[in-house]
Amino acid sequence: AQSVAQPEDQVNVAEGNPLTVKCTYSVSGNPYLFWYVQYPNRGLQFLLKYITGDNLVKGSYGFEAEFNKSQTSFHLKKPSALVSDSALYFCAVRDDTNAGKSTFGDGTTLTVKP
Amino acid sequence: DTAVSQTPKYLVTQMGNDKSIKCEQNLGHDTMYWYKQDSKKFLKIMFSYNNKELIINETVPNRFSPKSPDKAHLNLHINSLELGDSAVYFCASSQDFPSTDTQYFGPGTRLTVL
Repeated sequence: AQSVAQPEDQVNVAEGNPLTVKCTYSVSGNPYLFWYVQYPNRGLQFLLKYITGDNLVKGSYGFEAEFNKSQTSFHLKKPSALVSDSALYFCAVRDDTNAGKSTFGDGTTLTVKP
Repeated sequence: DTAVSQTPKYLVTQMGNDKSIKCEQNLGHDTMYWYKQDSKKFLKIMFSYNNKELIINETVPNRFSPKSPDKAHLNLHINSLELGDSAVYFCASSQDFPSTDTQYFGPGTRLTVL
């Protein structure tokens, strides 16, 4: 069975400060990890993914994430937060032993204050 | 051009009614999905179709029946609606079905059952 944990329901940061949104996972086979963002009353938008290769993945809007196999983590980061980054962030994992089904975390609400 | 579109955007109906939500993607993708997002924003996969063939069917009541007339469309029909069906339903698509594919989400359909 695969699972994803986003341990923080809410993350608050000041504009210009670095931000981190945490994600840990559990899979049987090789993990394929994704971050999506959901703005209010909108569908989810893809930010970035880790499939293989370099552990540091760069994505849209200046976001990046680091795959850490030993800690089974895939934390989302951004060096300097913007107010417009305020949204709901989902981490998702897929496992090639589980028919490609995606499991999503419960989401983390990021609030960036001016 | 909207990549993944859903109609209607809002649906308000009485308990016991039957309703359908339509989804269309113009990305040329082979795989489509239905997700349910509840009031706590938790996201759960319901169904997935690959080339019009059902490949994921989660533990969803059989009042929910997906139908894929062609690769570009995946509709969701719900019989005998219940209060607990109130949620936002998202359609998504991906190029194919391997675990590495990014999913593209529609804007959602907010279903309210009274």
